[in-house]
Amino acid sequence: AQSVTQPDIHITVSEGASLELRCNYSYGATPYLFWYVQSPGQGLQLLLKYFSGDTLVQGIKGFEAEFKRSQSSFNLRKPSVHWSDAAEYFCAVGPSETSYKLIFGSGTRLLVRP
Amino acid sequence: EAGVTQFPSHSVIEKGQTVTLRCDPISGHDNLYWYRRVMGKEIKFLLHFVKESKQDESGMPNNRFLAERTGGTYSTLKVQPAELEDSGVYFCASSQEQAGELFFGEGSRLTVL
Repeated sequence: AQSVTQPDIHITVSEGASLELRCNYSYGATPYLFWYVQSPGQGLQLLLKYFSGDTLVQGIKGFEAEFKRSQSSFNLRKPSVHWSDAAEYFCAVGPSETSYKLIFGSGTRLLVRP
Repeated sequence: EAGVTQFPSHSVIEKGQTVTLRCDPISGHDNLYWYRRVMGKEIKFLLHFVKESKQDESGMPNNRFLAERTGGTYSTLKVQPAELEDSGVYFCASSQEQAGELFFGEGSRLTVL
């Protein structure tokens, strides 16, 4: 069955520290991969997406993610976290770049220490 | 430009009552999606409209849920009668094209007591 796993429910990092949020997927074909963020009081915002090509994807707000087919992973990274990055982050997979019937992970809540 | 707006932001109802959630997509967006997040779990797809037509409603949990998009503009999602397990956050999203970026609303939180 198709699924997305985000093993960390909560992560706390200090401001300025680096960040890596884990995402593993189970999918029969080559997946289309997404990271979304939900800040307090706001809707889900697309950070970045991977359809094909370069496995290192750059997104907004200084985030990047790397697709590793051998590990079925699509981890999200940021070299230096800002207090405004505190939010909930969702990894998602989709069957194609033309269908947004997405399968989401359960989310990782990021807390940032001053 | 206004984003995707959802109303109400929070609704508290008794089991057995009816609730209607509304979504106004970004103007000109033909594609409208409903998703739901229950009890802090993963966000799950409910259905997809293209204009006023239901393209895919495979995620609708049961026949207590009715989604409409008359005229291809705003959409409503009615739950009748509501059950305890329907509690959660209902997200609406829209896109101009099926391959375009999805824009999500803030969600409507439903609490069924």
